[in-house]
Amino acid sequence: RKEVEQDPGPFNVPEGATVAFNCTYSNSASQSFFWYRQDCRKEPKLLMSVYSSGNEDGRFTAQLNRASQYISLLIRDSKLSDSATYLCVVNEVNNYGQNFVFGPGTRLSVLP
Amino acid sequence: DGGITQSPKYLFRKEGQNVTLSCEQNLNHDAMYWYRQDPGQGLRLIYYSQIVNDFQKGDIAEGYSVSREKKESFPLTVTSAQKNPTAFYLCATRDSGGTLNQHFGDGTRLSIL
Repeated sequence: RKEVEQDPGPFNVPEGATVAFNCTYSNSASQSFFWYRQDCRKEPKLLMSVYSSGNEDGRFTAQLNRASQYISLLIRDSKLSDSATYLCVVNEVNNYGQNFVFGPGTRLSVLP
Repeated sequence: DGGITQSPKYLFRKEGQNVTLSCEQNLNHDAMYWYRQDPGQGLRLIYYSQIVNDFQKGDIAEGYSVSREKKESFPLTVTSAQKNPTAFYLCATRDSGGTLNQHFGDGTRLSIL
């Protein structure tokens, strides 16, 4: 079983749609969680951290369910510029230090 | 990310050659990471370093080597032992504060001639 799994995608949605991405992780000791956005042939950029209480940043809402080991990202009123691959990232602590495990990503295409 | 410089942007290698990818940072971050990304896939950890003069193998370290002689620099050598080196290589640092965010360089695309 992969450590971090995401919806396989791609998601093709019209402008203005609401899109939900799901992510599950296998290591119950994981401590921090993030959503990154990666444009085609570019480096990943942090979209938002995910907190236990849930957090919102404009049209983006992230939720964390530690009991189910599940993370979500909701994009409301999607824009053409939201088209990208969304990566779920989990931070773990091991004997050496901090490590990050990336999910495979879910590609989103917002269509006019 | 303006604080992390990867070079070169594109690199072509003949089979059997070793090549070194550069990663320099001016963010004063202790931790640095090297990832490999293949088309349509997520990032896989090659090596990481929490502090100068120390580093740890990641999930796919075979055929790669690193050094961390300075805080600012974490070069990655792709050796001839790496049989399938064509990929997008990303260097990252990690915030030392409470956020634990990672910051990425622009990446290096390595191709085999």
